[in-house]
Amino acid sequence: DTAVSQTPKYLVTQMGNDKSIKCEQNLGHDTMYWYKQDSKKFLKIMFSYNNKELIINETVPNRFSPKSPDKAHLNLHINSLELGDSAVYFCASSQRRGEQFFGPGTRLTVL
Amino acid sequence: GESVGLHLPTLSVQEGDNSIINCAYSNSASDYFIWYKQESGKGPQFIIDIRSNMDKRQGQRVTVLLNKTVKHLSLQIAATQPGDSAVYFCAEFYTGNQFYFGTGTSLTVIP
Repeated sequence: DTAVSQTPKYLVTQMGNDKSIKCEQNLGHDTMYWYKQDSKKFLKIMFSYNNKELIINETVPNRFSPKSPDKAHLNLHINSLELGDSAVYFCASSQRRGEQFFGPGTRLTVL
Repeated sequence: GESVGLHLPTLSVQEGDNSIINCAYSNSASDYFIWYKQESGKGPQFIIDIRSNMDKRQGQRVTVLLNKTVKHLSLQIAATQPGDSAVYFCAEFYTGNQFYFGTGTSLTVIP
């Protein structure tokens, strides 16, 4: 029974397109996150979100936007995709402060 | 985009030897630390944590040491096995739910 799931696992698209990555957690956690991991394995926090507060990493372009239809879901929408957006994107969740449970990742390739 | 100019530290150890992975953290106010393991093609997974009121904590084959004086954290893996090959991240937590992931270290176990 998967705790944090993401779809799709792989996403290949053209520059300029708009795409979304979905994330769901069944752990009942309050907070969810999106990370970007580049080819050098650096893990960069993009957003953290609970039902009260969205915290945005100031370095994230506004082409990226998180959308949360409910507490168990945090989707990532990306507008006008660029080559530099190619990376693996991870969703995670946690119960307030502490251990984060990560999803399996979505490998995005922008051509 | 890419983490230009930065490289993932690497560590190679012989199977059966002990491994020590180091992490220098940045914030003297950090009071909670987690080590994560990321295997190839997967999301990071929790290994062990430690609070700042401790200087050592042991798990199964793993030990975390915390030196607050020099802001240094280490993960020791006893009798390293091929399945320990992964990228290891330390994460520090401070002020509410603020946190930071380190750059990671790639561990390769040589059979």
